[in-house]
Amino acid sequence: GENVEQHPSTLSVQEGDSAVIKCTYSDSASNYFPWYKQELGKRPQLIIDIRSNVGEKKDQRIAVTLNKTAKHFSLHITETQPEDSAVYFCAAANTGNQFYFGTGTSLTVIP
Amino acid sequence: KAGVTQTPRYLIKTRGQQVTLSCSPISGHRSVSWYQQTPGQGLQFLFEYFSETQRNKGNFPGRFSGRQFSNSRSEMNVSTLELGDSALYLCASSLELTGELFFGEGSRLTVL
Repeated sequence: GENVEQHPSTLSVQEGDSAVIKCTYSDSASNYFPWYKQELGKRPQLIIDIRSNVGEKKDQRIAVTLNKTAKHFSLHITETQPEDSAVYFCAAANTGNQFYFGTGTSLTVIP
Repeated sequence: KAGVTQTPRYLIKTRGQQVTLSCSPISGHRSVSWYQQTPGQGLQFLFEYFSETQRNKGNFPGRFSGRQFSNSRSEMNVSTLELGDSALYLCASSLELTGELFFGEGSRLTVL
C-alpha cells in the first residue's frame, strides 16, 4: 500500500518568515495530494490540494508543489502569521476517498 | 448547511467492551470515511463507504467494522476493546469520488 512520509515533525519560524513542509509518497498511482490544517482541539480542514496533472498551485500565502517523478510534494507558507500555528498533515490518495496521511508537522509561528 | 456530526463526542469504556460511534455526513455527501487519530501516528484510514457499500478498508483488525445506511449516515463498531484502541475517531464526508474531506469533530474514546 501507499506510504506517506512527512518532514519535519516540528517547525518553528519567526513571524513573517516562510515555512516549508515536505512529503514523499511511494505509490505512483496516487494522483490527489491535499494538505490539511488542524488547530488544537479542532477538526482537520483542507487548506490546499493538487492533482497529479498540475505541478504547482497557489492560494494567497499558501502554495503546493508536486514532483511526480521524484514522488514528493511540498507545502510553502509565506509571510507566516501567528494564526498559522497548527499541525499540518499531507495526504495522498488514488481512487476513492482512502487517504494516506503523513504523521503531521507541528508549526509554531513566533511573534 | 450543517457540517459533519459525530456522536458521542466523548466516551469511556473498559477493556473487552464494545462501542458504536455514529456519523451524520453533510447533506448530499454519499462518501463517508473513518480515521483513527493518535499522537505521533497521525490519521490512519479505517474504511470508506459510498452509497452503502464499503469501497475501501484500511489495515485494522476485524474488531473494527462499519456500515452506512440509505440516508448516508454511518456507524462504526469496535468490539472487544483494547487499551490501544484509545484514540480520537474522526469521520469525514465527501461530495466527490476522490476529493475534499469534511471532518467531524471526532469521538474521543478512552479504554480503561
